Amino acid sequence: DTGVSQDPRHKITKRGQNVTFRCDPISEHNRLYWYRQTLGQGPEFLTYFQNEAQLEKSRLLSDRFSAERPKGSFSTLEIQRTEQGDSAMYLCASRRGGAGGKDGANVLTFGAGSRLTVL
Amino acid sequence: AQSVTQPDIHITVSEGASLELRCNYSYGATPYLFWYVQSPGQGLQLLLKYFSGDTLVQGIKGFEAEFKRSQSSFNLRKPSVHWSDAAEYFCAVGEGNNDMRFGAGTRLTVKP
Repeated sequence: DTGVSQDPRHKITKRGQNVTFRCDPISEHNRLYWYRQTLGQGPEFLTYFQNEAQLEKSRLLSDRFSAERPKGSFSTLEIQRTEQGDSAMYLCASRRGGAGGKDGANVLTFGAGSRLTVL
Repeated sequence: AQSVTQPDIHITVSEGASLELRCNYSYGATPYLFWYVQSPGQGLQLLLKYFSGDTLVQGIKGFEAEFKRSQSSFNLRKPSVHWSDAAEYFCAVGEGNNDMRFGAGTRLTVKP
C-alpha cells in the first residue's frame, strides 16, 4: 500500500492555460474523490467516482472542470482556461466503497495534494 | 443539508497543557464523524472516527473525541500537547455513500 499519489505537487500557470492533475488511489479502493482547499478553509467536495463511473458532481465544478477515471484506477482532473480564482490545493482521496460499517468503509485516505497557482 | 462548524479559527496552547478543539455538526440522523490533521505541505491524516457505539473514541497520537448527540458536538481532546501537534485540525461529517463535509479548520499553535 503506497498511499494516494498526486502529481504534480505544484503547478504554476498563466491565466487562460489548461492544467491537468493526476491521482493514483490506493489500489483496492474503488471510490475516488476530488476536493478543493483554499487558504484558511476546509476541503470542499468537487466530485467522486465509483470505479469508472462519476456519481456525483458539486456545483463548484464549473464546466471548465472535467474529471475522468477511464479504467477505474487513476483519475485526472483538468481545468480549462484557468482563472486566478482557481488557485487552490486540489486534494484527491480514496476509500473502499460501501454504505457505512465500522471499519474502513467511510474512511478517506488523502493524497498530499496538488497546489495550483494561476498568475 | 449537513454542515460542520469549528468555532475556533486559531488556538494557542502551551506545551504540556491540555487541548480541546470544538466541532458542531448539523445533520438529521446520526452521522459518521471524523477528525483529520493537516501539517504544512502534507495531506490530511485521519486521527479518529466515530460510527456508532461507545461515544468516546480513541485515536492516534494520544487524541480522543467524544460524541454528544444532545449537543450535536464531537470535540477533540488531548491531555498534554506536544510541540509536534502544531497543525491544522479538521472535523468532518459523512453519511453512507455520500461525500464528506469538512469544517473550516482550527489552527493549533503550541508555545514552548
